Formats: sequence, structure tokens, C-alpha cells
Amino acid sequence: DTEVTQTPKHLVMGMTNKKSLKCEQHMGHRAMYWYKQKAKKPPELMFVYSYEKLSINESVPSRFSPECPNSSLLNLHLHALQPEDSALYLCASSQEGGGGPGYYEQYFGPGTRLTVT
Amino acid sequence: GQQVMQIPQYQHVQEGEDFTTYCNSSTTLSNIQWYKQRPGGHPVFLIQLVKSGEVKKQKRLTFQFGEAKKNSSLHITATQTTDVGTYFCAGVNNNDMRFGAGTRLTVKP
Repeated sequence: DTEVTQTPKHLVMGMTNKKSLKCEQHMGHRAMYWYKQKAKKPPELMFVYSYEKLSINESVPSRFSPECPNSSLLNLHLHALQPEDSALYLCASSQEGGGGPGYYEQYFGPGTRLTVT
Repeated sequence: GQQVMQIPQYQHVQEGEDFTTYCNSSTTLSNIQWYKQRPGGHPVFLIQLVKSGEVKKQKRLTFQFGEAKKNSSLHITATQTTDVGTYFCAGVNNNDMRFGAGTRLTVKP
């Protein structure tokens, strides 16, 4: 199984709402990633988890809160977002070789398209 | 920090024509990866290049890594409509991976 799943596929939320994005993989990967992608732009790395521990935070605002409950699951908790946070949020996973992002190929999920109103 | 420049931004070709996209890094890379993202889809890994001067082929796709490990290219021979999408390079150096801006390829049947 080389699939990364993400839920929900679409999410519309107000600026005062709290919501969560979920990601799951069963490939035994020990590195998991959150990316943000705006239309016609490349993915921007937000967070990296390595062996369930946060290893990279790309100076992401605190209204985004990642969580890795176990080696297969990755969550992104959202609170008090701004309209400019509307984007496609991609989860990815890879083997973990200690070399950081890009050491191994990444498998991306289909993404959650988030709209903040 | 490292920057990865990718050109062209857009390429529109007639089916059967060739296509090339180029990536250039401001720093020497340890490796480079290439991804394809279909319209409305997610990035899908194509290949990783590690060695200086490396050339790899996948059917009609040819990937090259420069001798100085600062540039790379993806060449598609005889494009087909199934090649439509955005091709991203991702340069890797010192635990840092940066995507290029991508080249959006459209193919006219």
C-alpha cells in the first residue's frame, strides 16, 4: 500500500473556528510532512515529523498546530485562521534515513482544500 | 538560504513535440528530486538524482544532473496529452529541500 490518505477533502471554516486536518499512511514511513500549496505555486514545507517528534518547523504561525499521535497518523490543528491561509494542505511521508527532507522520495496525499471565510 | 530557480514557467507544445524544463540552484546540491503534479492532483515522485553528471531515463523522460550538482533538467521526447501537468524540481542540501517554482506543461492534441 503506497497510499497517503487525507481527510477531509474540502473544508470551509470561519476565522473563529477550530478544525483539524488528518493524514494517515501505512507504509511504515517514519518521516511525515505538512505542506501548504497556493494556486500555481510550489508546495511550501510547514512541518516535519521524524519518529513522531517534531524536527522541523518552518516558522509557521502558532494558529497551525501539528500533532503526530503515532507513526501512521499526522494531524494539523487549525485555530483562528486568516483568509490568506486558504490553500491546498498536503501531507507527505517518506522513509527516515536521518538525512532530512529530500533524502528519500516523498509520497503525497491528495490534500485538503481549505477555504477560510 | 538556498534557492532553486526553474524555467520556463509555462510551456505549451503540440503533441509530438519535445519539452525541457531546467532547474538551477544557488548552492551545490546533495541530490535533486523531480515531481509531477497533474491539474487538480498532488505531486507524484518521478526520480532522484544523486551523482554528478548523472543521467537517468524513464521511457520518454530523460533526467540530467549537472557536473557541478547545481543544475538539472527534465526532457520529454514526443510529448503526449498524458504529459500535461506541472513539473517541479526539488533541490536538497544540508537537510533543506526547496521546490522550484514549477513548469506548467500544456499539450495540444
